[in-house]
Amino acid sequence: QVQLVQSGAEVKKPGASVKVSCKASGYTFTSYDINWVRQATGQGLEWMGWMNPNSGNTGYAQKFQGRVTMTRNTSISTAYMELSSLRSEDTAVYYCAREGVYCSSTSCYAGGFDYWGQGTLVTVSS
Amino acid sequence: EIVLTQSPGTLSLSPGERATLSCRASQSVSSSYLAWYQQKPGQAPRLLIYGASSRATGIPDRFSGSGSGTDFTLTISRLEPEDFAVYYCQQYGSSPFKTFGPGTKVDIK
Repeated sequence: QVQLVQSGAEVKKPGASVKVSCKASGYTFTSYDINWVRQATGQGLEWMGWMNPNSGNTGYAQKFQGRVTMTRNTSISTAYMELSSLRSEDTAVYYCAREGVYCSSTSCYAGGFDYWGQGTLVTVSS
Repeated sequence: EIVLTQSPGTLSLSPGERATLSCRASQSVSSSYLAWYQQKPGQAPRLLIYGASSRATGIPDRFSGSGSGTDFTLTISRLEPEDFAVYYCQQYGSSPFKTFGPGTKVDIK
């Protein structure tokens, strides 16, 4: 079965960086984009960016441009999200999510985020 | 960047009632790349609907999605106790941006 398992909770000081991992299993890692989404306590979902594990191509939300880096290690089917220059407002649960694909008889299309990791709480505090 | 607005912010209903949730986009959503998610406290979101109207694997048929362009709707035909949660819409066609709406909370009246 498809699973995305994320690394454990982190506590960081302002100005530091954090790197969260997301290990995929149960499917071909390089066949589906990985997205990162965060959620502050009591708030909504915020999309951060995506990565194509096959090519390594990425796309980031404007808000995080210059501060976020998404990478992968295909040999261990793991995606990473690194966020730098942390501030207190970055305190949130960070999720990785697989972007599904569905195919008709003629074409294939993106199909929403069909599998999610369990979330990683990142706390930024002095 | 496409901005999504959801209404109402909170919907108070009783089990067995019909829920109608709205999602409006600031620009037309490409190829109906519109998804709906359900989230319960302490859990990751769960995909309900993709492509505006296709149910994800394992989603009961009381959930249905409709709409195109800038106006989309999620309907829950008869609320079950486990359906009380927060619902988010998301557009994922405006690459590279895949924005979420602010959410609608469905709570028990």
